Amino acid sequence: DSGVTQTPKHLITATGQRVTLRCSPRSGDLSVYWYQQSLDQGLQFLIQYYNGEERAKGNILERFSAQQFPDLHSELNLSSLELGDSALYFCASSVDPSPDYEQYFGPGTRLTVT
Amino acid sequence: GESVGLHLPTLSVQEGDNSIINCAYSNSASDYFIWYKQESGKGPQFIIDIRSNMDKRQGQRVTVLLNKTVKHLSLQIAATQPGDSAVYFCAESQSSGGGADGLTFGKGTHLIIQP
Repeated sequence: DSGVTQTPKHLITATGQRVTLRCSPRSGDLSVYWYQQSLDQGLQFLIQYYNGEERAKGNILERFSAQQFPDLHSELNLSSLELGDSALYFCASSVDPSPDYEQYFGPGTRLTVT
Repeated sequence: GESVGLHLPTLSVQEGDNSIINCAYSNSASDYFIWYKQESGKGPQFIIDIRSNMDKRQGQRVTVLLNKTVKHLSLQIAATQPGDSAVYFCAESQSSGGGADGLTFGKGTHLIIQP
């Protein structure tokens, strides 16, 4: 158990809909990362937050957004969903925002868009 | 864009043998490399890391080798056990800045342990 929690574990929704994925980082970690894992693209970095502020952006679509709240939990919002958005979404946390600090991954949320 | 990739999608080894998983990277600015293990239904789990100022780093039953000349990274697992069955990813980043602070992952190698 990494100490990172994600909810829900599974999510099935229809195209065009909007969903929110939630992540609680490990106790003491201020940095949160979101990754998408799909069969064709592999694991891709989406976005990073540190202590409530956006720190870095990766391959995140404009239809996707995220935020980190004062209690450090984070939410990833996915809107106007398409079939291709079906994937595993992982949250990871680390104590420091620098990339050379170990990132601890949560169990993921499996999103299925039908 | 530049990315990290893996040579083989599947590697099958006998239990007790040593496993070697390879990874090629193309971003010469990368200075930090990590190996992750992902078991079915779980998130990636950190195994070992190495910085670009090193050629080799050892952990418990694992060794990572870095060849910056040919931009190659490998993970060696000694005395492979059934619990080592998983998908292994290499990842890279630029800890000195100049890019996003997220990791760039390779496609993954599925390690299968034969009894």
